[in-house]
Amino acid sequence: SQKIEQNSEALNIQEGKTATLTCNYTNYSPAYLQWYRQDPGRGPVFLLLIRENEKEKRKERLKVTFDTTLKQSLFHITASQPADSATYLCALNGGSQGNLIFGKGTKLSVKP
Amino acid sequence: EPEVTQTPSHQVTQMGQEVILRCVPISNHLYFYWYRQILGQKVEFLVSFYNNEISEKSEIFDDQFSVERPDGSNFTLKIRSTKLEDSAMYFCASTREPGEETQYFGPGTRLLVL
Repeated sequence: SQKIEQNSEALNIQEGKTATLTCNYTNYSPAYLQWYRQDPGRGPVFLLLIRENEKEKRKERLKVTFDTTLKQSLFHITASQPADSATYLCALNGGSQGNLIFGKGTKLSVKP
Repeated sequence: EPEVTQTPSHQVTQMGQEVILRCVPISNHLYFYWYRQILGQKVEFLVSFYNNEISEKSEIFDDQFSVERPDGSNFTLKIRSTKLEDSAMYFCASTREPGEETQYFGPGTRLLVL
């Protein structure tokens, strides 16, 4: 079965720096990969989706890359702000009906 | 902006009791999901639901779980006889149509089984 590894449980960076989060998967290449943000006690909030035939996707200060050879996605937040502090989840399509398989997440803390 | 809502936000119950968790998906959405997240663990898929029937379910979704769309707006998850290990956050999610990749999650119900 598909497994997802988000290598860092926690990442601490200084405000203004670029945060880079990693997501690796083990088996089949998914049709798409998504990144969600989760704040404590809240549900995941969709951020970005990248398809298997796309190398890179951007949205404002966010950038996602997808390398199907390495079976890896990188998620970047440029010019990070304390308000970016949250847990970021990587998710893949897990089946034909669209259910998602999530990674455990990386907790990002941006210090002022 | 439309959003998924869930009630109650918190539920405390005794082991062996039945609980019903309620969700109101976004109004024009047709595909519904339940996920759970045990404290400190990853979000796990339970079940998907479309056209008044289960589309897919995980091995977690055993006979003690059931889902229902009792009317045009609500989507419920019932746990018949709760166990201590059912304590978790339960999230409802919805999409406009099958195969739409982005899922919209509700705020969750925190269930504590004593």
